Amino acid sequence: QKEVEQNSGPLSVPEGAIASLNCTYSDRGSQSFFWYRQYSGKSPELIMSIYSNGDKEDGRFTAQLNKASQYVSLLIRDSQPSDSATYLCAVILSLSGNTPLVFGKGTRLSVIA
Amino acid sequence: DVKVTQSSRYLVKRTGEKVFLECVQDMDHENMFWYRQDPGLGLRLIYFSYDVKMKEKGDIPEGYSVSREKKERFSLILESASTNQTSMYLCASSFTGYGTEAFFGQGTRLTVV
Repeated sequence: QKEVEQNSGPLSVPEGAIASLNCTYSDRGSQSFFWYRQYSGKSPELIMSIYSNGDKEDGRFTAQLNKASQYVSLLIRDSQPSDSATYLCAVILSLSGNTPLVFGKGTRLSVIA
Repeated sequence: DVKVTQSSRYLVKRTGEKVFLECVQDMDHENMFWYRQDPGLGLRLIYFSYDVKMKEKGDIPEGYSVSREKKERFSLILESASTNQTSMYLCASSFTGYGTEAFFGQGTRLTVV
């Protein structure tokens, strides 16, 4: 059973702080990793993807991947109240692209003004 | 922009009814997916399809079937709706290939009474 684990939260951070969201996955063969943001009552939207070890930065967001530790994280710098949402970690096992995303249950982030 | 459109945003059906949820994507994606999302359980895969007329069971296929007669359309069918199928249903699509992300429709909140 492929598993993706996240702390459900809520994670509360003050406005302007760094929010750190973590995710572990069970299948060492996993190849592609994604972070989705989901506002209450809305569908998930992709915010970051990462495929190789190290850091990937996009604006205020940084994704970090460590395949040896089977760990992927998302850092949000200068957190804003509009970042308050549930963040879903998702993993694809196969290189073929026909394997569906496996999602964690999500971490709820609350940014306090 | 990728567009994944689900036929209804909200739906109320009676127990025992046959229910059709429709999903259409306009990006020529090979892969299409149906998930359901419930509080505390996260996103769970019901069925997916990687080609026309092809389908694969996900983690929770019981009580559901799917149809993909055309590449752009993927239908989820509840053969005989039950109250435990009350949920948010999310359709997604993606290209086949290394590391391609999935794009979601707006979701259908189904209530079975």
